Amino acid sequence: QQQVKQSPQSLIVQKGGIPIINCAYENTAFDYFPWYQQFPGKGPALLIAIRPDVSEKKEGRFTISFNKSAKQFSLHIMDSQPGDSATYFCAAEPGNQFYFGTGTSLTVIP
Amino acid sequence: GAGVSQSPSNKVTEKGKDVELRCDPISGHTALYWYRQSLGQGLEFLIYFQGNSAPDKSGLPSDRFSAERTGGSVSTLTIQRTQQEDSAVYLCASSLVGGGARETQYFGPGTRLLVL
Repeated sequence: QQQVKQSPQSLIVQKGGIPIINCAYENTAFDYFPWYQQFPGKGPALLIAIRPDVSEKKEGRFTISFNKSAKQFSLHIMDSQPGDSATYFCAAEPGNQFYFGTGTSLTVIP
Repeated sequence: GAGVSQSPSNKVTEKGKDVELRCDPISGHTALYWYRQSLGQGLEFLIYFQGNSAPDKSGLPSDRFSAERTGGSVSTLTIQRTQQEDSAVYLCASSLVGGGARETQYFGPGTRLLVL
């Protein structure tokens, strides 16, 4: 059973576009929601994270929007660049264990 | 300092053989995690070590999988009698404290296992 559902599976945008990746969860015990970025041949690396007491968090060109009532959160990448091409994973944590989404492969075309 | 390292980077084995995968966490990190990454399946939690506490083995898919962590540092994931469905990338991560501290997990590059 997938605890965190992520969509889309893949995404292609032009440079400068704003790709949006969505995640949804059911377990209300989840209270920490990180996003990880993974380049080919590398392990995932933390990109940005949010707690449910805020509705939005921005770090540079990356923004998380969080809707607690809908149990949904999304990653927006502003002014996307070819270097942002990677796989993005959302995750949720209720304690000592992370539950990851299935990943979104993002391609930014120059 | 150095990040999380894993070895080997790639492993090809025959069905039925045992394999051992090694993880060296970041020095000083007390929490260590193992995940399995299969195509289209995201990251699947396998096991979690926190200091000297008993590990959380709730994610291990079968009794063919086991892991140990010696001296609170290096960890070894062992898969006995490997099956083709075990083929995946096995990722190790460590964090400073773990256990709900909402800390960043630092991932190693993974071991790509192929069972023929």
